[in-house]
Amino acid sequence: GAVVSQHPSRVICKSGTSVKIECRSLDFQATTMFWYRQFPKKSLMLMATSNEGSKATYEQGVEKDKFLINHASLTLSTLTVTSAHPEDSSFYICSARKDSLLGELFFGEGSRLTVL
Amino acid sequence: SQQGEEDPQALSIQEGENATMNCSYKTSINNLQWYRQNSGRGLVHLILIRSNEREKHSGRLRVTLDTSKKSSSLLITASRAADTASYFCATQAGGGNKLTFGTGTQLKVEL
Repeated sequence: GAVVSQHPSRVICKSGTSVKIECRSLDFQATTMFWYRQFPKKSLMLMATSNEGSKATYEQGVEKDKFLINHASLTLSTLTVTSAHPEDSSFYICSARKDSLLGELFFGEGSRLTVL
Repeated sequence: SQQGEEDPQALSIQEGENATMNCSYKTSINNLQWYRQNSGRGLVHLILIRSNEREKHSGRLRVTLDTSKKSSSLLITASRAADTASYFCATQAGGGNKLTFGTGTQLKVEL
């Protein structure tokens, strides 16, 4: 199987602080990872595509300086929410593509961010 | 970006009944996938159907794809309480692996 680990699963922070969320592919290499945001009882909204060794590709309307993405290795991508505000509170989910298998994506368990 | 619309938004059935969920999309695709999400959890891949396929089965799941109508359906047969979850369709188009998700159907299977 293919396992994607996301950490932390829950985080509470104060307004103005920064929060880092990690996404790791545990048993496969992932050149490409994706970060999604999900509001309660809503669909997943793609935020950005994370590419190993290069800059992330952000979707329209997503602030690059607000949501910093780093994909430093073939098994790790990080999302940093900078200067967090209450409206950044959401469920963030990462997914990874197994390089040897086109199509299917493997998802992490998600990270619930609450900004006070 | 294309967005899949799913209906119904919510579905409540009795255990043993079949559940059918529909998904419509707007532009040409390479494939369409169905995922399941338990409340507050990540997504689990259920099945992928390519644009040149019309029907696919996996256990109690049956997926159809009609590219002329730009629609797909997911049928879960003999539903169980454990099938209670949200179900999302997602489409892939072009050369990348970017997935665009539909709005989702919340399925509740009651004992």
